[in-house]
Amino acid sequence: DQQVKQNSPSLSVQEGRISILNCDYTNSMFDYFLWYKKYPAEGPTFLISISSIKDKNEDGRFTVFLNKSAKHLSLHIVPSQPGDSAVYFCAAIEGAQKLVFGQGTRLTINP
Amino acid sequence: DAMVIQNPRYQVTQFGKPVTLSCSQTLNHNVMYWYQQKSSQAPKLLFHYYDKDFNNEADTPDNFQSRRPNTSFCFLDIRSPGLGDAAMYLCATSRSGQEDTQYFGPGTRLTVL
Repeated sequence: DQQVKQNSPSLSVQEGRISILNCDYTNSMFDYFLWYKKYPAEGPTFLISISSIKDKNEDGRFTVFLNKSAKHLSLHIVPSQPGDSAVYFCAAIEGAQKLVFGQGTRLTINP
Repeated sequence: DAMVIQNPRYQVTQFGKPVTLSCSQTLNHNVMYWYQQKSSQAPKLLFHYYDKDFNNEADTPDNFQSRRPNTSFCFLDIRSPGLGDAAMYLCATSRSGQEDTQYFGPGTRLTVL
């Protein structure tokens, strides 16, 4: 049973526009959420996180929104840049140490 | 630079032939994780070590074992690889687990012939 779902396998956005990546989860016990970015031939790298006590966290061009009632979070990238082209994984923490990942969304930024 | 290193980056083995994947870290983190990621799927946690304490996921096959001889190194042993074990294997570390960020190595892509 996939507890963290990213329903869009891919997303294409024009450079300079906003990229919105979505993630849904089913486990109401998740209390911390993260986004990781992965380039080809590299491991995932941490991008931004949010605690369940917040509904928004911002870091430069990246903002994560959390809607607990809808069990939904989203990552906004604005403005999008070519270097943002990568696979983005949504992840949630269950219990003390276990990270549960979504399947990933491949973001392509077009010039 | 402090980092998580995985060797080899690509590993080819034969069906049923034991294989060991290696992970080392210079971050001095307490927790080390092994994930399996199959094509177009989410990374799936196999097990993790908190210091010397081994924590196996309930659905990790017995075919997969791990060793952590010291803080810096952690090994993934696949005793009898099957075709279904072909995947990317990711090692990660975190300072103390919980909400600490996990730092990932580049992964080892395993091919089983």
